[in-house]
Amino acid sequence: NAGVTQTPKFRILKIGQSMTLQCAQDMNHNYMYWYRQDPGMGLKLIYYSVGAGITDKGEVPNGYNVSRSTTEDFPLRLELAAPSQTSVYFCASTRDYPYEQYFGPGTRLTVT
Amino acid sequence: QQQVKQSPQSLIVQKGGISIINCAYENTAFDYFPWYQQFPGKGPALLIAIRPDVSEKKEGRFTISFNKSAKQFSLHIMDSQPGDSATYFCASVSGNTGKLIFGQGTTLQVKP
Repeated sequence: NAGVTQTPKFRILKIGQSMTLQCAQDMNHNYMYWYRQDPGMGLKLIYYSVGAGITDKGEVPNGYNVSRSTTEDFPLRLELAAPSQTSVYFCASTRDYPYEQYFGPGTRLTVT
Repeated sequence: QQQVKQSPQSLIVQKGGISIINCAYENTAFDYFPWYQQFPGKGPALLIAIRPDVSEKKEGRFTISFNKSAKQFSLHIMDSQPGDSATYFCASVSGNTGKLIFGQGTTLQVKP
């Protein structure tokens, strides 16, 4: 199993540009999550999904959108990128309780 | 607001020593308490976890102590090794969506 994969690994965006961060898992997990990690900080939940077709906001959803059309994929869309969105983005997935989440390697995004 | 408070922010320990990281939570509805280990440039990885009906769990050199009445839990790393140098996050699982509430993280440095 590849586990949780994320692309791209690095990206530089200009202010106002848009992009999609890709996340895929091959473990048949129902639950998927997007987090952001700012330097020296913990992880904050952006959006999550409990199954295909079902998504909900986390702690810091503003400026982002998600979709979940399949069990495997959970892309994160950034519209009108802002410098405040400079961060490392992690995708994670889990099957069910106790919800032991498996994380991808992350995408490092810089908005200038 | 649900929070998990983690201390210390950074920790330096000599090789062979004991590393202790503490966390406190507010929401008594949390029902699972994992610890994640993160190396630079990598995603967090589950290290060890405990359910609230257990006071202690040990896996190798890593032990979680859980005090339900005080709403506190801690990670003990026995015989700390330079390879343990990483950032450690405590977390709490909220509800039936698997959402993780992370502590702020502790950067551990184990000196040879």
